Amino acid sequence: AQTVTQSQPEMSVQEAETVTLSCTYDTSESDYYLFWYKQPPSRQMILVIRQEAYKQQNATENRFSVNFQKAAKSFSLKISDSQLGDAAMYFCAYHSGGGADGLTFGKGTHLIIQP
Amino acid sequence: EPEVTQTPSHQVTQMGQEVILRCVPISNHLYFYWYRQILGQKVEFLVSFYNNEISEKSEIFDDQFSVERPDGSNFTLKIRSTKLEDSAMYFCASSERSGSSYEQYFGPGTRLTVT
Repeated sequence: AQTVTQSQPEMSVQEAETVTLSCTYDTSESDYYLFWYKQPPSRQMILVIRQEAYKQQNATENRFSVNFQKAAKSFSLKISDSQLGDAAMYFCAYHSGGGADGLTFGKGTHLIIQP
Repeated sequence: EPEVTQTPSHQVTQMGQEVILRCVPISNHLYFYWYRQILGQKVEFLVSFYNNEISEKSEIFDDQFSVERPDGSNFTLKIRSTKLEDSAMYFCASSERSGSSYEQYFGPGTRLTVT
């Protein structure tokens, strides 16, 4: 079974600074997808960014980018120019490319933005 | 923008009672999911549903749980005899198709409190 590990229960960053959230995963599959979801206090899960394992190029979405290291099974999220609205729980998630439907989530990192 | 909706937002029930949580997926989506998040813990996959049958289910999804698409719009999760440990946020999600090239869109969740 796949596992997703987020080793940082909480991170704090000054507004406008850059922060990196860590995620590692364990899988024996070669075809899979990785995601970062944001969960603000409203509790709704919002997709931030996705990465296909077969792509070597790291995904970027505006201020959000990932550092995908397939051999190391590492998938970190970098948030540049942090804003107060970025404060939330961030969950790393894994999806098998082999047809299994459910996402496997990590335990999450609580991101605090200091004004 | 289309969104997944869930009702009620908060449900309080007594142990042993049956509860039905309701979801309206995005209208052109074909795949539906339920996830659970116990307070302070990670989001856990419960079940996926396609073409009027369960596609995949986790170990959590035991005989106390059932899912149904009673009409063309609703997708329900029923817990037959609630236990204290069923207290959690329950998220519904939907996607156009399976596989990770299609995002799973999450609803705002239903907070279930079992007393």
